[in-house]
Amino acid sequence: AQSVTQLDSHVSVSEGTPVLLRCNYSSSYSPSLFWYVQHPNKGLQLLLKYTSAATLVKGINGFEAEFKKSETSFHLTKPSAHMSDAAEYFCVLINNDMRFGAGTRLTVKP
Amino acid sequence: DAGITQSPRHKVTETGTPVTLRCHQTENHRYMYWYRQDPGHGLRLIHYSYGVKDTDKGEVSDGYSVSRSKTEDFLLTLESATSSQTSVYFCAISNWDNSYNEQFFGPGTRLTVL
Repeated sequence: AQSVTQLDSHVSVSEGTPVLLRCNYSSSYSPSLFWYVQHPNKGLQLLLKYTSAATLVKGINGFEAEFKKSETSFHLTKPSAHMSDAAEYFCVLINNDMRFGAGTRLTVKP
Repeated sequence: DAGITQSPRHKVTETGTPVTLRCHQTENHRYMYWYRQDPGHGLRLIHYSYGVKDTDKGEVSDGYSVSRSKTEDFLLTLESATSSQTSVYFCAISNWDNSYNEQFFGPGTRLTVL
């Protein structure tokens, strides 16, 4: 069975502090994994993707994620949060179809 | 939003009425998708299309039908809307249906069924 679990429904950080959004997956095959971001009342935008090349993937706006097969994880990080990072983030597992996690809402406090 | 528009952007309707949502793309992408987004569920695939007149069911297709008579348009129809279909609906497009290619999303349609 294929599934993706985002471990936190809501994360709150202060501006300038690190961001960690956690994602675990379950897949029978070598997965591809994406992170999408959704700003309020907007569609989804691709942040970054892992497709079995380098395990550390860099995306837009300073985000990066590391694929760890031994931990079945693909956590999203950013060294320093900005107010504009406040949004909902989705981890997505791709095999024959796209499986979305439930989402993590990131709040950034001034 | 990568040349994808959805109409209407907001709609309020009553239980039992038919509703059609439209997705229009200017990218000439082969694949088009309809998702619904509900709190705690992320996005779930309703139907998708892999070419003109070629469609298939997704994870939550019950109560929905689709049609694609032109490359650029993908219609989602609720034959008889129910309150459980209150949701935000997103259309997406892609040029390749494989694990390496991202989907581009439209701005969404907020549907309320009273």
